[in-house]
Amino acid sequence: AQSVTQPDIHITVSEGASLELRCNYSYGATPYLFWYVQSPGQGLQLLLKYFSGDTLVQGIKGFEAEFKRSQSSFNLRKPSVHWSDAAEYFCAVGLFFQGAQKLVFGQGTRLTINP
Amino acid sequence: GAGVSQSPSNKVTEKGKDVELRCDPISGHTALYWYRQSLGQGLEFLIYFQGNSAPDKSGLPSDRFSAERTGGSVSTLTIQRTQQEDSAVYLCASSLVLGTAEAFFGQGTRLTVV
Repeated sequence: AQSVTQPDIHITVSEGASLELRCNYSYGATPYLFWYVQSPGQGLQLLLKYFSGDTLVQGIKGFEAEFKRSQSSFNLRKPSVHWSDAAEYFCAVGLFFQGAQKLVFGQGTRLTINP
Repeated sequence: GAGVSQSPSNKVTEKGKDVELRCDPISGHTALYWYRQSLGQGLEFLIYFQGNSAPDKSGLPSDRFSAERTGGSVSTLTIQRTQQEDSAVYLCASSLVLGTAEAFFGQGTRLTVV
């Protein structure tokens, strides 16, 4: 079955440090991949997406992600985090079946920023 | 509208009562989804609408849950005879383009069953 795994439930980094959040997916075809961010009490905001083409994609707020088919991964990175990046991050894959579509999400990674 | 709008933002209800949650998608978006987010369960898919039809209802947890969409726009999620385990944040999302599943989410409705 199609699934998304985010191995890290909680990550803490210092402000200004680099960040990498891991995401692995299980999907038979070329995946449509997404990263969303959720601040406390808010809905999900789309950070970036990968559909095809260049495997390094740029998103909002200085985030980027790299699609690696050989590793079934789509890790999210940021060179220097800011206190405002503290939030929960969700990786997702698009699933298509019999005229329907939906996103399947990983369990999320909570990011804490130390001052 | 500019974004997906959900109402109410918070709802407290007594066990056994029925509740209705409303979602107003982005104008022109034909695809609409409901998800549920609860502690320990992550983001669970509930139902997908294409226009007014729901080709995927596979995530509805029981027959107490139902949803409809009218005019290809507003959707209502109804939970009958609410139980404490229904307490969660209910998120609505919509998509403009079919075939990618790229979705834009509302702020959610926090439902608390007491």
